[in-house]
Amino acid sequence: DSGVTQTPKHLITATGQRVTLRCSPRSGDLSVYWYQQSLDQGLQFLIQYYNGEERAKGNILERFSAQQFPDLHSELNLSSLELGDSALYFCASSGGTPSSYNEQFFGPGTRLTVL
Amino acid sequence: DQQVKQNSPSLSVQEGRISILNCDYTNSMFDYFLWYKKYPAEGPTFLISISSIKDKNEDGRFTVFLNKSAKHLSLHIVPSQPGDSAVYFCAATPRAGTYKYIFGTGTRLKVLA
Repeated sequence: DSGVTQTPKHLITATGQRVTLRCSPRSGDLSVYWYQQSLDQGLQFLIQYYNGEERAKGNILERFSAQQFPDLHSELNLSSLELGDSALYFCASSGGTPSSYNEQFFGPGTRLTVL
Repeated sequence: DQQVKQNSPSLSVQEGRISILNCDYTNSMFDYFLWYKKYPAEGPTFLISISSIKDKNEDGRFTVFLNKSAKHLSLHIVPSQPGDSAVYFCAATPRAGTYKYIFGTGTRLKVLA
C-alpha cells in the first residue's frame, strides 16, 4: 500500500459527459501528479501541483483540468469525454520527507471507460 | 516524440537467471532516472533510481547501470524470481524532486519457474 488513495476505482460513462477523479496523497506529501495510461502505452504526464499551485504541465487537453485543495487532495476533471479518453488515470505524490523526495508514490488508479 | 524508449515490449527469463531490461533516452538534459514495477490492477511501485553523476546503483538483487554517452540505462535482476513477473517502466527527469517524470512504454517481464 503506497498510502495514495484514488476514487473511484472504476468509472463508466458516455461520450460528452463530465467526470471527476479524486486523489488523496500520502500524509505529508505536498506534490501531486496526474498521469494517463492508455492501452499498451506508457504513463503520460498530465499535470503536477505543489502545495496548491500548478507546478508543471504535460500533454493535458484543454477539456481536462485539475486542482489541489488546501487539505492537499487533488481532483482531475475530464469534460466533453470522447472514446479516446478511456484509460487508466494514476495519481502520484511526493515531497514528504527528504528520503522520499525523489520518489513518486502511485495510487492504484482509476479506470475510466467512455462508451 | 518519445524521449524515453523501451524497445522490448516483453521478455521471458528462466527462474534463477539474469533479467536485463533496457531503456534509451534522447534528452541530454535528463539527470535522474528511475525504474518502476507494475503488477496488474495496481499502481506502479518504485524500484530503484540513479543520478547522472553515477554509473551504477545496486539494491539487493536489482542493479541499474547508466551509460550517459550512449544515453542508455539498464536494469539487471539477479537472480530472477517468479514474483518479479510484472511490467517494468523506466522514467527520466531533468531535475530530481518535484518535477515531472517521462516514462517509457514498459517491458513485460515473465520469469518462468
